Amino acid sequence: GAVVSQHPSWVICKSGTSVKIECRSLDFQATTMFWYRQFPKQSLMLMATSNEGSKATYEQGVEKDKFLINHASLTLSTLTVTSAHPEDSSFYICSARVLAGGGDTQYFGPGTRLTVL
Amino acid sequence: GDSVTQMEGPVTLSEEAFLTINCTYTATGYPSLFWYVQYPGEGLQLLLKATKADDKGSNKGFEATYRKETTSFHLEKGSVQVSDSAVYFCALSDRAGGTSYGKLTFGQGTILTVHP
Repeated sequence: GAVVSQHPSWVICKSGTSVKIECRSLDFQATTMFWYRQFPKQSLMLMATSNEGSKATYEQGVEKDKFLINHASLTLSTLTVTSAHPEDSSFYICSARVLAGGGDTQYFGPGTRLTVL
Repeated sequence: GDSVTQMEGPVTLSEEAFLTINCTYTATGYPSLFWYVQYPGEGLQLLLKATKADDKGSNKGFEATYRKETTSFHLEKGSVQVSDSAVYFCALSDRAGGTSYGKLTFGQGTILTVHP
């Protein structure tokens, strides 16, 4: 249980184009999903919190107009990198939050490798 | 603010050696503590967790005990295998006043390499 998928697993695009990344919880519903960015050999940086049916909450320093997040259903959140540039190349990882047994756990997707040429 | 500090890596061990990766934290409220593992080219997988003081999380031979008095959550395994080679992240989720904020704060990660 608690499987999270991401699509695509990798994408290469030209500078100036937009790329959409999907994050799905496959066997559970998630009112909250998170988007992270990970640079090579570094830790994960939280970009935004995605709440179903409401606007995403962005972390300080993250451009909300560049990284558009839509959480349209309890099993799907999307991250769109608009007008991508080479500096946006990174590994993007989503997670879905599960509240159970008094605890709070995030289950992570496998990540999406974005390369902007 | 909340923070997690892990021992610096990389850590290189021979197969069947004992593993300890230290993790300490600072947080307000009553955090839940986690260890995640990331294999090359993959996303993070939850390895184990503990939600209150003195809880011991365990999985796949790994274990960690939530020590409130020392604000620590050290990861241990008695006999490592080559397949344990990965990056290990310690993390906390703070829940001040009983409200779960859900945000995870990660340590910087520790690279573990196990040689045959």
